[in-house]
Amino acid sequence: DGGITQSPKYLFRKEGQNVTLSCEQNLNHDAMYWYRQDPGQGLRLIYYSQIVNDFQKGDIAEGYSVSREKKESFPLTVTSAQKNPTAFYLCASSISGLEGNEQFFGPGTRLTVL
Amino acid sequence: KQEVTQIPAALSVPEGENLVLNCSFTDSAIYNLQWFRQDPGKGLTSLLLIQSSQREQTSGRLNASLDKSSGRSTLYIAASQPGDSATYLCAVLYGNNRLAFGKGNQVVVIP
Repeated sequence: DGGITQSPKYLFRKEGQNVTLSCEQNLNHDAMYWYRQDPGQGLRLIYYSQIVNDFQKGDIAEGYSVSREKKESFPLTVTSAQKNPTAFYLCASSISGLEGNEQFFGPGTRLTVL
Repeated sequence: KQEVTQIPAALSVPEGENLVLNCSFTDSAIYNLQWFRQDPGKGLTSLLLIQSSQREQTSGRLNASLDKSSGRSTLYIAASQPGDSATYLCAVLYGNNRLAFGKGNQVVVIP
């Protein structure tokens, strides 16, 4: 089955620790995206990548980092610099980063900082 | 900057009534508009996608309209069922393939 997988489903982190969220897709999509969702809020864009080895900051990139070494993978690291990391994180992909291409979403990872 | 507003933020309806959810956006230069469903603690399920050149899309009991010039979309759900209880998110695709989301309509259908 083609799709987007995110792991783990739930993640707990102590303050001051970095943590990496996984996102993998087997749709052969060029573009991938990371969003953050807070309770009662819409999704906000953290980072996006239109092609391998390239990525750009979204609206709320501070305290996060990404890499795009493989087409199918776009991991997100939440660093200790992120002041309020507890949230629901969603990964998405689209055929390309060109205008008008629909984005498809993974099931999400819920991160809780203890 | 594209801003998306959804009203009402929350609503409850008796089973069998029709649901009407509204979405407005500030910049009419969009590629498409999409309605998603989100169950508590879950990811997004795409319901309907309307291209900028289209006026509406239908799927089963769901119908979504788009008036791009006025920056509005409406999602109709006919004959609501308790299983329709969820949060419905509206999103517009614009600019450099950016998605702007509303905060959602939280719906409860009362049996």
